[in-house]
Amino acid sequence: EAQVTQNPRYLITVTGKKLTVTCSQNMNHEYMSWYRQDPGLGLRQIYYSMNVEVTDKGDVPEGYKVSRKEKRNFPLILESPSPNQTSLYFCASSPRTSVYYEQYFGPGTRLTVT
Amino acid sequence: QKEVEQNSGPLSVPEGAIASLNCTYSDRGSQSFFWYRQYSGKSPELIMSIYSNGDKEDGRFTAQLNKASQYVSLLIRDSQPSDSATYLCAVNSGSARQLTFGSGTQLTVLP
Repeated sequence: EAQVTQNPRYLITVTGKKLTVTCSQNMNHEYMSWYRQDPGLGLRQIYYSMNVEVTDKGDVPEGYKVSRKEKRNFPLILESPSPNQTSLYFCASSPRTSVYYEQYFGPGTRLTVT
Repeated sequence: QKEVEQNSGPLSVPEGAIASLNCTYSDRGSQSFFWYRQYSGKSPELIMSIYSNGDKEDGRFTAQLNKASQYVSLLIRDSQPSDSATYLCAVNSGSARQLTFGSGTQLTVLP
């Protein structure tokens, strides 16, 4: 089944404890992206990747890191999480980097930082 | 700042009626437009994409695009209670990274 997977689905952690949220897609998509979704603010892009070893900042990159060492994986790293990073996170992928290709979303990761 | 605006709702329609959802965008260079459906606590699910002016129909869904007026709409015919969800308008302009989302319209279909 073609899909985008994320792990963990739920995570409660404490301020300052490094964490990684994994994202993997099995569709051989070139483009991958991370979003966060907050009430009243909608979906906002954190980072994106056009291909392996090619990443760039989205609209809200502060406090996050990413890497793209393999085409299928795009982990999101929070080196020192803070309470304002409590949010619902989505990974997405797209088959091409053209504007005409839709993005497909993973199931989401609900992160709580205390 | 590229903006995508949607009425937040909530929008309530009776079962069997037509639900009309609207979206306006600020960037005239926008090239592709998407409607996503999101159930509470779930991920956005793509339901329609449209790239050129006019209407595009898929089952009970019709997307309408008017680039001159910078609006895109989604019509849902014969609305069902299972259509109750938040509908997100997304606009992609200039490059693949710039998928800008509206804040969503919450739709409730009353049995």
